[in-house]
Amino acid sequence: GDSVTQMEGPVTLSEEAFLTINCTYTATGYPSLFWYVQYPGEGLQLLLKATKADDKGSNKGFEATYRKETTSFHLEKGSVQVSDSAVYFCALSDGDTGRRALTFGSGTRLQVQP
Amino acid sequence: NAGVTQTPKFQVLKTGQSMTLQCAQDMNHEYMSWYRQDPGMGLRLIHYSVGAGITDQGEVPNGYNVSRSTTEDFPLRLLSAAPSQTSVYFCASRGGDCATDTQYFGPGTRLTVL
Repeated sequence: GDSVTQMEGPVTLSEEAFLTINCTYTATGYPSLFWYVQYPGEGLQLLLKATKADDKGSNKGFEATYRKETTSFHLEKGSVQVSDSAVYFCALSDGDTGRRALTFGSGTRLQVQP
Repeated sequence: NAGVTQTPKFQVLKTGQSMTLQCAQDMNHEYMSWYRQDPGMGLRLIHYSVGAGITDQGEVPNGYNVSRSTTEDFPLRLLSAAPSQTSVYFCASRGGDCATDTQYFGPGTRLTVL
């Protein structure tokens, strides 16, 4: 079945550092790929998405490119802020089935220190 | 437009008790789903629905029942709570076509079973 693998956290960075959170996936068909963010005590919010190979999703300075050849969707940000401290989830949609549900990675906690 | 709402936010049960977690959406979305979030495991799909009157099992359905009598509501029932069901529960919804495959999440219900 489908699966998503994320780098384990926690990731601790200083403010203005460069961020990369690795995500790789296994899926049949042509899934859409997502990054969701969960701030402390809150639900999940969509951060960005890409629906086909070579698409780049971007939002709030974060970027991720859908790489079909390496089955990856790594999240990057050039300069993190303290307010980026959260848990980040990589996910894919099972577009070839009727479920319309998401398969999630285990999440990566990011802590940004001032 | 409230999006996806969940009640209650917190709940403590004793082993063997039953309860219903409520979920409602006002976006006229066909697809709704329930996930549970456990530390280090990301979110796992419990049950999902592709429309009113239609439900099916996800990855971890045991111990949970659902029904979908209206488009708006998708309650999750625990018939006899067990400590293994201690978790954070998220309800999500999405539109019906591939172009709108973004899922919207509720704020979550934190359940503790003693």
